[in-house]
Amino acid sequence: DSGVTQTPKHLITATGQRVTLRCSPRSGDLSVYWYQQSLDQGLQFLIQYYNGEERAKGNILERFSAQQFPDLHSELNLSSLELGDSALYFCASSVAGRNTEAFFGQGTRLTVV
Amino acid sequence: SQQGEEDPQALSIQEGENATMNCSYKTSINNLQWYRQNSGRGLVHLILIRSNEREKHSGRLRVTLDTSKKSSSLLITASRAADTASYFCATRSFSGGSNYKLTFGKGTLLTVNP
Repeated sequence: DSGVTQTPKHLITATGQRVTLRCSPRSGDLSVYWYQQSLDQGLQFLIQYYNGEERAKGNILERFSAQQFPDLHSELNLSSLELGDSALYFCASSVAGRNTEAFFGQGTRLTVV
Repeated sequence: SQQGEEDPQALSIQEGENATMNCSYKTSINNLQWYRQNSGRGLVHLILIRSNEREKHSGRLRVTLDTSKKSSSLLITASRAADTASYFCATRSFSGGSNYKLTFGKGTLLTVNP
């Protein structure tokens, strides 16, 4: 158990809908990362937060948004969903500092039908 | 975009043999990390090597880093069936301000046959 909790584990929704994925980082970790994993694109970095502030942005679509709350949990919002958004979405957390490892949650499997 | 690219994409070996996976990257890095993923599950950190280090060991794992060639290798010795998984390299690189991104490659699928 990495200590990172993601909910829900599975999500099935229709095209055009909006969903929210939730992540609770390990106790004490201030950094939260979101990644999308699909078969053809591999593990794509979406966005990183540190203590409530956005710190780095990757290949995150405009239809997607995220935030980190004062209690350090984070949410990834996906809207106007398309079939191609079906993927595994991972959250990871780490302590401050660049020479640190990231701890991953078990992921949310999103299926858009 | 991917920072690291693993090679080979897939590797199949017999139990007891050594497995070597390579990773190449494009920009300067602060450190390089290797992760393991069992099918459809979360990634698990294996080892981190800093940009000023050339080799690191952890149990049956040996990692090398050549910053002049922008490449790294992961060696798993005396492989076991339980080592079957996907292995990813990840690079920590400066992304502006005081921020460092952690970017992954597409991974190598290792199959260890009993």
